[in-house]
Amino acid sequence: QVTLKESGPGILQPSQTLSLTCTFSGFSLSTYGMGVGWIRQPSGKGLEWLANIWWDDDKYYNPSLKNRLTISKDTSNNQAFLKITNVDTADTATYYCARSPPLSDYFDYWGQGVMVTVSS
Amino acid sequence: DIQMTQSPASLSASLGETISIECRASEDIYSNLAWYQQKSGKSPQLLIYAANRLQDGVPSRFSGSGSGTQYSLKISGMQPEDEGDYFCLQGSKFPWTFGGGTKLELK
Repeated sequence: QVTLKESGPGILQPSQTLSLTCTFSGFSLSTYGMGVGWIRQPSGKGLEWLANIWWDDDKYYNPSLKNRLTISKDTSNNQAFLKITNVDTADTATYYCARSPPLSDYFDYWGQGVMVTVSS
Repeated sequence: DIQMTQSPASLSASLGETISIECRASEDIYSNLAWYQQKSGKSPQLLIYAANRLQDGVPSRFSGSGSGTQYSLKISGMQPEDEGDYFCLQGSKFPWTFGGGTKLELK
């Protein structure tokens, strides 16, 4: 059974760095072709893809976030991470991690999401 | 970036009605398209991948079609549990991009 769960700080102040953790089970990020991605959704709005990391440590980022993103993984502990530097109120959203099945171009399983508020 | 234009933005359907939602890509995405349903307060659930392949466990009243730049999701016989938001996702080229969403309500 594939599950993913996000965790994060809940609230942080402008200019701080947001650190998110995705803890998953039921699959391994060392499996050939497997990937994990991060997606966010401001309240009442649409979905925005942020980044993907693949089994071979290849990484892709959304260029609209201008080098503020860093994605990484800990295969041994079944975790993926996302850092967003220099946050502001526009980064307030629910953040999801999701699995991309081997050699695919979509997400099949999503976490429940974690709400992050940026406020002074 | 590939732009995904989704229509309509909202839709009201009667019980048993057949409805369609469209996504148009700004360039050919070679059927690298997925459809998701998101119910209020929940995470998105995969319905269709590779434009027309039904995800395991998804009712057969959901179907996907299309090619090139034009894709559609059809629900053949609206059910109360189909209320929610629907999104398309293109995975043909990074950055992956989502359509703007369609809010589907039961009339």
